[in-house]
Amino acid sequence: GEDVEQSLFLSVREGDSSVINCTYTDSSSTYLYWYKQEPGAGLQLLTYIFSNMDMKQDQRLTVLLNKKDKHLSLRIADTQTGDSAIYFCAERVLSGGYNKLIFGAGTRLAVHP
Amino acid sequence: EAQVTQNPRYLITVTGKKLTVTCSQNMNHEYMSWYRQDPGLGLRQIYYSMNVEVTDKGDVPEGYKVSRKEKRNFPLILESPSPNQTSLYFCASSWGGWSQETQYFGPGTRLLVL
Repeated sequence: GEDVEQSLFLSVREGDSSVINCTYTDSSSTYLYWYKQEPGAGLQLLTYIFSNMDMKQDQRLTVLLNKKDKHLSLRIADTQTGDSAIYFCAERVLSGGYNKLIFGAGTRLAVHP
Repeated sequence: EAQVTQNPRYLITVTGKKLTVTCSQNMNHEYMSWYRQDPGLGLRQIYYSMNVEVTDKGDVPEGYKVSRKEKRNFPLILESPSPNQTSLYFCASSWGGWSQETQYFGPGTRLLVL
């Protein structure tokens, strides 16, 4: 079945690192994504990783993929107040002959001074 | 400016009163879709469209209709809204169905059905 799970809340102090975790069930996923949703806005693609990679780094963001455990994480270094948002994990699966995105419920990241 | 627009942004209505939420994109995208976002459930796809006059059901299509008469517009129609359709709705578009990860999302429409 298709299911993506992530914890609902994370609170961190400004300047610390944040780690948001996600697990997925479909082993045929080709790409996995992290989206960011700021208050009152739609989703914005933050970063993605191809399923044959185990790590991707992009400035303050590090994505780790453990394909064996079907576990994806997003690490934000030096977390700032502007990073406060909801972060969605998503996997791309092939369903009915076309690509489909399955989203997790979202993790609300709160950054406090 | 490349964007997806939705109207209205906020709507309060009563059970059974037909409503339409409009969605328009100015990027000449072929693929458009509608999602609803509910607490603890993330985004679930309602309907999608691969191109003009080509639409298909997503994961939660019950109670909704769509049409795609022009490439830029993809309205969502609730013929007889019910309280369980109270939600936050997002329209999104991308070049094609294979590139859903690069979907551009609209700002959302918050709907309350009394």
